[in-house]
Amino acid sequence: EPEVTQTPSHQVTQMGQEVILRCVPISNHLYFYWYRQILGQKVEFLVSFYNNEISEKSEIFDDQFSVERPDGSNFTLKIRSTKLEDSAMYFCASRGQGDSPLHFGNGTRLTVT
Amino acid sequence: AQSVTQPDIHITVSEGASLELRCNYSYGATPYLFWYVQSPGQGLQLLLKYFSGDTLVQGIKGFEAEFKRSQSSFNLRKPSVHWSDAAEYFCAVSRPNTGNQFYFGTGTSLTVIP
Repeated sequence: EPEVTQTPSHQVTQMGQEVILRCVPISNHLYFYWYRQILGQKVEFLVSFYNNEISEKSEIFDDQFSVERPDGSNFTLKIRSTKLEDSAMYFCASRGQGDSPLHFGNGTRLTVT
Repeated sequence: AQSVTQPDIHITVSEGASLELRCNYSYGATPYLFWYVQSPGQGLQLLLKYFSGDTLVQGIKGFEAEFKRSQSSFNLRKPSVHWSDAAEYFCAVSRPNTGNQFYFGTGTSLTVIP
């Protein structure tokens, strides 16, 4: 069964550094998402992406964040200048057209020191 | 605004016992409803979903959930829990016919004791 893949599984970075989290959604999916989960807390929506543009974003998704679909397969989340509070598990998800559920990747654990 | 409430933060059951995890939602119309499971260090796996029709839906791993419109609930059940069911369970809702975000509850952590 096709799945969403995320790399790396764990990323450690210093405060102020830029990080790029990578995702390969399921190939025929059209909607792409990033969620994050701070340790012990709920899964929070960051951004949704459709037709090569952001369709919705949360207040968490400020100017430090950006998303890109650089080619036909990858979907990336960039954090320009990481803060300690950005430490979390970041999940990529994708879905097809119509009434279809989200399919999640296994996540990237980001640790900012 | 849409919201999802999972009143039980943590539940402990004995292996072989029945299980019910509660989920309530707040939404202006009937949303799409989902249950996801997260094993330690893993992503979110879809257990089951409700869009319309029969209010009792069957999922993977022997789970089922019942949509009750009058109670705005979508509780997850399993008649006999296995040790491998120990995980975090998340209820989620989304707005029909949109490509927009899903809203997740805070999760219920399930511990299974032998």
